[in-house]
Amino acid sequence: NAGVTQTPKFQVLKTGQSMTLQCAQDMNHEYMSWYRQDPGMGLRLIHYSVGAGITDQGEVPNGYNVSRSTTEDFPLRLLSAAPSQTSVYFCASRASGRASFSYEQYFGPGTRLTVT
Amino acid sequence: GENVEQHPSTLSVQEGDSAVIKCTYSDSASNYFPWYKQELGKRPQLIIDIRSNVGEKKDQRIAVTLNKTAKHFSLHITETQPEDSAVYFCAASVRRGNKLVFGAGTILRVKS
Repeated sequence: NAGVTQTPKFQVLKTGQSMTLQCAQDMNHEYMSWYRQDPGMGLRLIHYSVGAGITDQGEVPNGYNVSRSTTEDFPLRLLSAAPSQTSVYFCASRASGRASFSYEQYFGPGTRLTVT
Repeated sequence: GENVEQHPSTLSVQEGDSAVIKCTYSDSASNYFPWYKQELGKRPQLIIDIRSNVGEKKDQRIAVTLNKTAKHFSLHITETQPEDSAVYFCAASVRRGNKLVFGAGTILRVKS
């Protein structure tokens, strides 16, 4: 299993540009999430999904969109990049716990985004 | 609310000493409490977790305790080693387990 994969690893954007961060998992997990990590702020939840076709907002959703058309993929779209969105972005997935007793959440390797 | 508070923000210990990190949560329905370790430049990785029907769990030098009444849980690392130096995050499940909310993290430095 590749686990949780993210592309790109690094990205530099200019203010106002848009882009999509890709996330995929091959563990058939129902739940997927996007976090951003800033120094001293821990991991803050942007959006999450409990299954294909279902998404919900986390703590810091403004400026980001998500969709979940398949179980495997959960892309994060930046609509109009701003310097405040400079951060490291982690995608994560986990099983719901209904079919197994594991709640472990697995993280992708992260995308380091700089907005100038 | 759906807050998780974590203390201390930094912790320095001598090699061989114990380290304790504490977290409190606000959602009384939270039932899953994982701890993650993140080394510099890497992704967070699960080191231990506990469910609300258990008061304590151990895995070699690492243990987690949970006090549901007080809504707090703690990570205990014994016989610390330099390779334990990292950032540690606690988390709690909210919204009937649909999402995890993380604490702000603790930077642990183990001095040899």
